[in-house]
Amino acid sequence: QVHLVESGGGVVQPGRSLRLSCAASGFAFSNSAIHWVRQAPGKGLEWVAATSHGGSKEYYADSVKGRFTIARDDSKDTLYLQMISLRGEDTAVYYCARDVSTIPDHYYGMDVWGQGTTVTVSS
Amino acid sequence: EIVLTQSPATLSLSPGERATLSCRVSQSISYYLAWYQQKPGQAPRLLIYDTSSRATGIPARFSGSGSGTDFTLTISSLEPEDFAVYYCQQRANWPITFGPGTRVDIK
Repeated sequence: QVHLVESGGGVVQPGRSLRLSCAASGFAFSNSAIHWVRQAPGKGLEWVAATSHGGSKEYYADSVKGRFTIARDDSKDTLYLQMISLRGEDTAVYYCARDVSTIPDHYYGMDVWGQGTTVTVSS
Repeated sequence: EIVLTQSPATLSLSPGERATLSCRVSQSISYYLAWYQQKPGQAPRLLIYDTSSRATGIPARFSGSGSGTDFTLTISSLEPEDFAVYYCQQRANWPITFGPGTRVDIK
């Protein structure tokens, strides 16, 4: 079965850092583009970042550029999101999601999602 | 950044009725639009990508159409499990952006 499992969320003070992980199983992780998408409490979906097949390209939302870094370890079938200088507006459920595309550096839509991990930024 | 607007914000319908959801985009995105369904407490589910391609396992009652700046998701006959929030999403330009969502609830 195809699975993505996020971990690493928690309560963190403003200005601190946190690293999220997303463990993949049941598919060829190294051949997949992967996204992070977040959802603030009671709000809609916000795309955060994406990494291409093999990690050669990274893309970020303006709201996190310079503070968040997406990375992947294909030997461990794991995706990461390193977050620094966290703000209250970063409070959200963070999902990792696989792109349905099998073409390198093409992104069609997110067909496999994890259950999400909650990040709360509060003093 | 490309802005997506969804209408209506809420759609109140009965099971068996047809649902028509609209997504308008601030600039032409060709056919690079996807639709997702999200139920409370669950992750989103991909329904449609590239305007009209149904994702794996998605029932035929879900269909998408449109191009350029105007797109539509149609649910031909609502089943009880279809009452949820629906989001459109563009992939034409970075950053990827989502619409604010349309809630389909039971009348």
